[in-house]
Amino acid sequence: QQPVQSPQAVILREGEDAVINCSSSKALYSVHWYRQKHGEAPVFLMILLKGGEQKGHDKISASFNEKKQQSSLYLTASQLSYSGTYFCGVPNAGNMLTFGGGTRLMVKP
Amino acid sequence: NAGVMQNPRHLVRRRGQEARLRCSPMKGHSHVYWYRQLPEEGLKFMVYLQKENIIDESGMPKERFSAEFPKEGPSILRIQQVVRGDSAAYFCASSPAWPGEEKLFFGSGTQLSVL
Repeated sequence: QQPVQSPQAVILREGEDAVINCSSSKALYSVHWYRQKHGEAPVFLMILLKGGEQKGHDKISASFNEKKQQSSLYLTASQLSYSGTYFCGVPNAGNMLTFGGGTRLMVKP
Repeated sequence: NAGVMQNPRHLVRRRGQEARLRCSPMKGHSHVYWYRQLPEEGLKFMVYLQKENIIDESGMPKERFSAEFPKEGPSILRIQQVVRGDSAAYFCASSPAWPGEEKLFFGSGTQLSVL
């Protein structure tokens, strides 16, 4: 089943923060986050493997709440280079990754 | 170490023709996945393959679409008798193991345009 992402789109000014949420109706064992720039391939950001796990990479971090079956991606002090579409992905019983519908992020100067 | 290689980058076909999309996974990766992306939409899973085996094809239309990952050579996604609705970007991804704990590496995609 496809995870649900919110919001669908976000417009920010440089330096502002954003949160992107990903929730599932089924139990989550891990959550992936990817970013795709227009016309390019999706690029891996991070995987969260355990409930309660938090990870960070530069000013982009994520948390994973296993009990609530959701994950959140935090973008702090956004930069122009953060613009793109963010996807969360969750593995299903068939061992492949199912992606959410994506969140379009636009960072303006 | 080359990444996931997809070709062609762009493919134009007329309605009724066949489209063959190729994907060479990263060296050492035995798991290959195909995703389809319509303009301004998300990544829709199509098929998951390991060498010589189709593990899950639940996302692939039953007719006209087929996929293979032979012992030697790239993975092929084949679309027979293409229709306008097949126009999309097709991405291939690979991983060394089960994706639950391993990240996916994506190729640059093949943009299929059906005239």
